[in-house]
Parts: sequence; C-alpha cells; structure tokens
Amino acid sequence: EPEVTQTPSHQVTQMGQEVILRCVPISNHLYFYWYRQILGQKVEFLVSFYNNEISEKSEIFDDQFSVERPDGSNFTLKIRSTKLEDSAMYFCASSWTAETQYFGPGTRLLVL
Amino acid sequence: AQSVTQLDSQVPVFEEAPVELRCNYSSSVSVYLFWYVQYPNQGLQLLLKYLSGSTLVKGINGFEAEFNKSQTSFHLRKPSVHISDTAEYFCAVSTGRRALTFGSGTRLQVQP
Repeated sequence: EPEVTQTPSHQVTQMGQEVILRCVPISNHLYFYWYRQILGQKVEFLVSFYNNEISEKSEIFDDQFSVERPDGSNFTLKIRSTKLEDSAMYFCASSWTAETQYFGPGTRLLVL
Repeated sequence: AQSVTQLDSQVPVFEEAPVELRCNYSSSVSVYLFWYVQYPNQGLQLLLKYLSGSTLVKGINGFEAEFNKSQTSFHLRKPSVHISDTAEYFCAVSTGRRALTFGSGTRLQVQP
C-alpha cells in the first residue's frame, strides 16, 4: 500500500539554524500539507499546497517558514531560522481529492 | 471556523470490554469527519471517515463511528478492545477541501 514517507525521522539543530524537512507524498496525489504537534498539544495545521502554490496557511506559518516542491516527488518544509518553540513533531500529509489526507510518520525536530 | 472537542483525555478499559471515545464538533457549515490513530512513536493512521451518506461508518481494526448531526457528534466505538488498540486517538474535522482541525486526543489504555 502506498505511503507518505518523511526524512529525517529525527533532527537536532541549534537555535537560529535553517532546517529542511523532506516528504515524499503518495504518488499521483495532488494536494500536500504540513502539520505540527508540539509535545502534549494538538496537531496543528501549517500549510497546504496545490498546483505549485500555497492554497491555505495558518497564522503559525509566518515568514520563517516556506514550502517547495522541487521536483515531481518531494515536498519540503524549510524553517529559515529555528527558534526553541519550533521544537515539535512535523507531519506531512497528501491527498488525491483534498477530502481525505494521509499522513507520514513524522519528523521530530528538537531545537537547542 | 470549526472546532473539535474530545471530552476524555484518557480512557482506561479492560481487554475485551467495549469502548466509546467521544468527539463533538462545532461548525457553521457542513463538515467531513475523521478519526486518526497514533500508535507509540508512529505517525497518524486513518481509522475511518465520514464524508456523506450513511451516518454509521466502519473503519479498520473493528472500529466504527456514528455521525449525529443534531448533536454535532462523531463518537468512536469498538465492541471488544485488544491490548494492541492502546494508542492515542484523534478526532478531526474539515469543511470541504480545507485543512483538518484536530481535537486534543484521547489516550486509550487497554489493560489485561
């Protein structure tokens, strides 16, 4: 069964550093998403991406964040200058119709 | 904007007993409803979904949920739980082809 994959599974970085989280959505899916889950809190929406542009974003997704689909398979989330409060589990999701989203295993980001 | 309330943060239950995890939502428009499960150190797996049609939906691993529009609820049930059902369960809602809004999760602890 096709799955969403994410790399790396864990990343530790220093405050102020740039990080890039990578996702390979399910092949032939058209809609792509990033969510995050701070430890002990709800899963929160960050951004959705369709047809090579952002279709929706939350107030969390400020200028420090960007997304890109550099080729036909990868979908990336970049955090330009990480803060302590960016420490969280980041989930990528994809969807064929935008009605049902399928999630990857997540990347646990720790900012020191 | 929509919101989701999961009334129980933890539900302890004995193996082979029935269980109900409660979910209520708030929205001014029609919604799609989902239950996701997160096993320890894993990502979010889709359990079941309600998009339209029959209000009783069946999912994987013997779970089912009933959409009740008048009570704005989407409670998850299983007639007989197993130890392997121990996990965090998240109710989520979306309005059409939009981002998911998640509840705070319910930790199901199945005891032998």
